Parts: sequence; structure tokens; C-alpha cells
Amino acid sequence: SAVISQKPSRDICQRGTSLTIQCQVDSQVTMMFWYRQQPGQSLTLIATANQGSEATYESGFVIDKFPISRPNLTFSTLTVSNMSPEDSSIYLCSAVPGGSYEQYFGPGTRLTVT
Amino acid sequence: QKEVEQNSGPLSVPEGAIASLNCTYSDRGSQSFFWYRQYSGKSPELIMSIYSNGDKEDGRFTAQLNKASQYVSLLIRDSQPSDSATYLCAVRERGSTLGRLYFGRGTQLTVWP
Repeated sequence: SAVISQKPSRDICQRGTSLTIQCQVDSQVTMMFWYRQQPGQSLTLIATANQGSEATYESGFVIDKFPISRPNLTFSTLTVSNMSPEDSSIYLCSAVPGGSYEQYFGPGTRLTVT
Repeated sequence: QKEVEQNSGPLSVPEGAIASLNCTYSDRGSQSFFWYRQYSGKSPELIMSIYSNGDKEDGRFTAQLNKASQYVSLLIRDSQPSDSATYLCAVRERGSTLGRLYFGRGTQLTVWP
């Protein structure tokens, strides 16, 4: 398995501002994923982040709104830009540790935009 | 669009009973299947993975896979109130060993004492 941490755990932000969420894995991983989960809903994949290449975004998500960095094999950031109340959600980082086929999740970041 | 369907529930069972959670998927070529448990306010926790047809047991949990029927299930024996959570079925993208997962909407399970 993998131990995945995220910062911040929660935040309340003003409309129009940006927030960067950090994700740290305790081992080197090839692929990292960013999800969003609205209250009472299932998980929606935002993008897949491979180290050394541009993130791959899912339909409905664009780089200008959700820029992602993946500077090394244990770390990634997701920025939620120019936030609106519709961006209020839980943002989850996940990864597949080396030698495994299983995907593990971080604790999530609960974002509220006012 | 790959689809993963689950009974949304809620499913309510008494303590000690067997809880049966079901999931169907649309992509016949899918090879990897997962069950996650999510407590309210927490992130998903992987509880079972299954890759071959048949049953896979881990403690009180049994995952069952039938690729011909495109069906995967999770049985929880001797259900406990602590099993009360939402259970998410996930299917890995065809042709990838590390790729993205497609999630169902989840089944909410309540185990009452």
C-alpha cells in the first residue's frame, strides 16, 4: 500500500481566488490522479498526472482552471483557479504504488468557496 | 463512456447477516476490479481487488467476479455496525495495468444492531 498525505485538509476561500492542494506519497509512484467528489456523489476524475509529462485532463476539466504539477515521483499539486461556489467539493489525490496494481487515496481536501 | 452500475441502496441488514453488494460494468474487456469502502466524511479505502473469475476471500469479505456476465459483487459475512458505509465499485480502464478507474455511484450500507 501507500501512505498519501494532502495539504490543506480543508479551506474556506473567497470567490475569484486560487488554492493549491499538495499531495505527497511515501514512495515513488508512476501515476497520480486527482478526483473531485461532490457531497453525496461518487468520484469524478479531474486528471491523470505522470511524472515528466503534461497531465491528461478528463472531459469538462481544463488546464487553465485546474493546473497540475508533477515535479517528481512522490509529489503533485492541483490548483483550483478563479474559484466559484461551484468548486466547493472534496478534492482527492490518489496513486498506484510501485509494484502494485492497486490505487490508494489520500485523506482529501475539503474546499468551500464563499 | 465506460459505465459502472451499482444499486444505490440504501441497503439495510441486521448485525450478523450477510450483506450483498452488486456491480455491473459495460466494458467487456475490463480486467481489474476493486471495492472501496468510504465512511462518511472520509476518503475511499481499498478493501478488495479481484482480477480473475471466481471468488476471492479476505476475512469477512468475499469478492466475486463473472466476466462473462460483466458482474462483480462483494459479500460481507457476519456484518457489523462498523461496516456501515458507502461501498464503491471501481473498474480499471481496459488495456492498462496502472490506469484510471471508473467508479460506480456507490451503495450505502447500514448494519443495525
